[in-house]
Amino acid sequence: AQSVTQLDSHVSVSEGTPVLLRCNYSSSYSPSLFWYVQHPNKGLQLLLKYTSAATLVKGINGFEAEFKKSETSFHLTKPSAHMSDAAEYFCVVSESNDYKLSFGAGTTVTVRA
Amino acid sequence: EAGVAQSPRYKIIEKRQSVAFWCNPISGHATLYWYQQILGQGPKLLIQFQNNGVVDDSQLPKDRFSAERLKGVDSTLKIQPAKLEDSAVYLCASSFGTIHEQFFGPGTRLTVL
Repeated sequence: AQSVTQLDSHVSVSEGTPVLLRCNYSSSYSPSLFWYVQHPNKGLQLLLKYTSAATLVKGINGFEAEFKKSETSFHLTKPSAHMSDAAEYFCVVSESNDYKLSFGAGTTVTVRA
Repeated sequence: EAGVAQSPRYKIIEKRQSVAFWCNPISGHATLYWYQQILGQGPKLLIQFQNNGVVDDSQLPKDRFSAERLKGVDSTLKIQPAKLEDSAVYLCASSFGTIHEQFFGPGTRLTVL
């Protein structure tokens, strides 16, 4: 069975500084990995996904993530945080045998002016 | 295109009462999902429909929860009777097919007193 662990429950950064959200996964089959963002009172929005193509994945709003099989990690980064990046971020894994999504517990990002 | 619609957005009930949530997926999406998101946790799949048939309801507490998707479009999720631990956000998502990207609605926040 697949699972993800988000290593930080809360991350606080200053506007204009880099953001790093850490995620480790466990999977028995070829995994697909995703990052979703959830703004207050809004639905979950897909930021980016990895599906066994390029290991460095670029997403929307300047986010990117790197799939590292040897480390079973899929960390999310952004070079310069914006106030609008304040939200909840979820790392998600899906296995190729059933495509069901397994969510991590989430990381809350706050951005200081 | 219109997104996934859910109503109501908020609901407060007392324990042992009944409640129902409604979801209207994106037009043409055959697959519909209901998730439960407890505060501080990632969403957990409750039930998955393919058209009007149930694909997976293994995580649905069937003694109190029920869901239907008549005519393969709209869906309702019901809780009867509600317990305190049912307090959560209930998310509906839809996708073109099982292997395709899921699009999420804004959710219904349920508070059980």
